[in-house]
Amino acid sequence: AQSVAQPEDQVNVAEGNPLTVKCTYSVSGNPYLFWYVQYPNRGLQFLLKYITGDNLVKGSYGFEAEFNKSQTSFHLKKPSALVSDSALYFCAVRDLNFGNEKLTFGTGTRLTIIP
Amino acid sequence: EAQVTQNPRYLITVTGKKLTVTCSQNMNHEYMSWYRQDPGLGLRQIYYSMNVEVTDKGDVPEGYKVSRKEKRNFPLILESPSPNQTSLYFCASRRTTQGGEKLFFGSGTQLSVL
Repeated sequence: AQSVAQPEDQVNVAEGNPLTVKCTYSVSGNPYLFWYVQYPNRGLQFLLKYITGDNLVKGSYGFEAEFNKSQTSFHLKKPSALVSDSALYFCAVRDLNFGNEKLTFGTGTRLTIIP
Repeated sequence: EAQVTQNPRYLITVTGKKLTVTCSQNMNHEYMSWYRQDPGLGLRQIYYSMNVEVTDKGDVPEGYKVSRKEKRNFPLILESPSPNQTSLYFCASRRTTQGGEKLFFGSGTQLSVL
């Protein structure tokens, strides 16, 4: 079975400071990992993905994420937070084992950037 | 404009009254799926479809039906809604290229079952 955990319901960061939103995962095969963002009253939007290659992946709006296989983590990061980054962030995983097509999302982390 | 369109945006109904939430995409994507979003539980997959006439259960399929008669449409059917199906529902379609895959989401349907 595949699963993903976002240990923090809420993260507050001052504008201009670096931010990190944490995600850990569990799969039996190789993971396909994603970050999506949800702005108020909107559907989710894709930020970035990791399947293979460089452990540091870059995505939309200046976000990046670091894949760490030994720690089974895929934390989302940004060097300098903007107020407009305030939103709900979801990590998601798909286990690439046995042709699995299900996608499992975490419970979400609400990021608030304080001016 | 490439998009996933869900209707209605808001729906209030009563227990047991059949309803359908429509979903349509104009990107010719083969894969489509339905999710429900509940506070503290995140998004949970209800059903997905790999292509026309091919559907499969997600993690929370009980009480829901889907059909995929055309590539662009993937309606979600609640034959006998119950209050525990009150939720925010999202439809999504998936683009798959050599560079990877990404989901495109609709704007959501807020369903209240009284």
